[in-house]
Amino acid sequence: NAGVMQNPRHLVRRRGQEARLRCSPMKGHSHVYWYRQLPEEGLKFMVYLQKENIIDESGMPKERFSAEFPKEGPSILRIQQVVRGDSAAYFCASSPRGQVETQYFGPGTRLLVL
Amino acid sequence: AQKVTQAQTEISVVEKEDVTLDCVYETRDTTYYLFWYKQPPSGELVFLIRRNSFDEQNEISGRYSWNFQKSTSSFNFTITASQVVDSAVYFCALSGYSGGYQKVTFGTGTKLQVIP
Repeated sequence: NAGVMQNPRHLVRRRGQEARLRCSPMKGHSHVYWYRQLPEEGLKFMVYLQKENIIDESGMPKERFSAEFPKEGPSILRIQQVVRGDSAAYFCASSPRGQVETQYFGPGTRLLVL
Repeated sequence: AQKVTQAQTEISVVEKEDVTLDCVYETRDTTYYLFWYKQPPSGELVFLIRRNSFDEQNEISGRYSWNFQKSTSSFNFTITASQVVDSAVYFCALSGYSGGYQKVTFGTGTKLQVIP
C-alpha cells in the first residue's frame, strides 16, 4: 500500500511564474490537507479538501493560491505569480475519513523561487 | 484557539546523554490528540507518536519515552542514550477544532544536535 505521494519533490521557479504541486493520497483516502513550512518554522495548515470540495481554506492566502481535489487524479496546490516569500516546503497529508488524528504525510515538495 | 509551544529552539547533547524536549499546549477542546514528529535533515516528516487526551499513561518505545501531563498541559519527549542519528528537528503538534473544523497545530520545533 503506497503512502502519500507528492511531486515534484523539488521545484524551482522564477518570480512571476506559476507553481503546481501535486498530491496523490493513500489508496482509499478521500480527504487531503495541505500545509506549508517556511524556513526554520513549523508546519502551518493551509487548506482541507474532500473529493471535489474545499472544506476549509482558512489557512490559505487569499490571493495567488488555489487548491483542488478533482474526482479523478491528484490534489493540486497552485501558486500563481510566485514571489520569493513562497519558497517553502509544502506538505500534503491524507486521511480516510477526515479525522486529522489519522492523517498520513507525504514527503513534501520543496519550492524555491529565484 | 490552539497553541503549541516548544520553548527550546536548539539543543546540543553529547552522544549517549539523555535529552528531554519540552512541549506545552493550549486548547479549549476536551477531546484532542497530541503528536510528535521527527524531521531529519532529508526533510520528510516521520511520525513518532499520537496520544489521545483521555490517555495519560506514559509511553515508552525503545529509547524514546513520552510524558503526558494534562494538569500542566505538557507532552514532553525524552530520548535516552542519544545517538547521532537522533539529530533532527522535532515537532510537537495538537489536533483540535478551530473555526469549526478539526485542524493540526504544530509547534515551531526543537532542533536537536547529537555530537559524537
